[in-house]
Amino acid sequence: ETGVTQSPTHLIKTRGQQVTLRCSSQSGHNTVSWYQQALGQGPQFIFQYYREEENGRGNFPPRFSGLQFPNYSSELNVNALELDDSALYLCASSRGQTLRNTEAFFGQGTRLTVV
Amino acid sequence: AQSVTQLGSHVSVSEGALVLLRCNYSSSVPPYLFWYVQYPNQGLQLLLKYTTGATLVKGINGFEAEFKKSETSFHLTKPSAHMSDAAEYFCAVSNNNNDMRFGAGTRLTVKP
Repeated sequence: ETGVTQSPTHLIKTRGQQVTLRCSSQSGHNTVSWYQQALGQGPQFIFQYYREEENGRGNFPPRFSGLQFPNYSSELNVNALELDDSALYLCASSRGQTLRNTEAFFGQGTRLTVV
Repeated sequence: AQSVTQLGSHVSVSEGALVLLRCNYSSSVPPYLFWYVQYPNQGLQLLLKYTTGATLVKGINGFEAEFKKSETSFHLTKPSAHMSDAAEYFCAVSNNNNDMRFGAGTRLTVKP
């Protein structure tokens, strides 16, 4: 089975621009979660999609939005980029709505730098 | 709301010594607890998790952790450190859903 893949691996954007990050789920997984990991910190939960519907959201402003497609791949969109949005963005896929009997698999992340 | 506190942002041990990484959690319902490892420029890899049942959980690479409800702790241990264990370790908590709340991480250094 294929793993979780994210694209691009690195990205540089200017403050005020918009960015789209992509994530392909592991085969058979219908849930995707996005996390922001600032330098030297732990991942912070942005939101989660389950079967194309948003299924939970962390403490992030509305300019962070997402989509999940019928093949369960996902996009994270960030509008009006700010310098503090510079971080590693991680995508994790899993099966179902609970982690009790499954595991979340992480991609290698997209390193976003806002200048 | 759930949260995790990792005590000690940096831990240094000698090769062959005991590894102990501390994690305390806060949760209003019975938690699911996880330990992940992150190597430089990579994503996170699951070491072990606790959901229900046996409170001593064994994971990959010789790591284990014990869920102690009375102490709200889930400390990670390994009897003998190896150079390849040097990495960042994250403790996380989940409340029977699919998202996790992570601690700030502990960087483990292993000295020869």
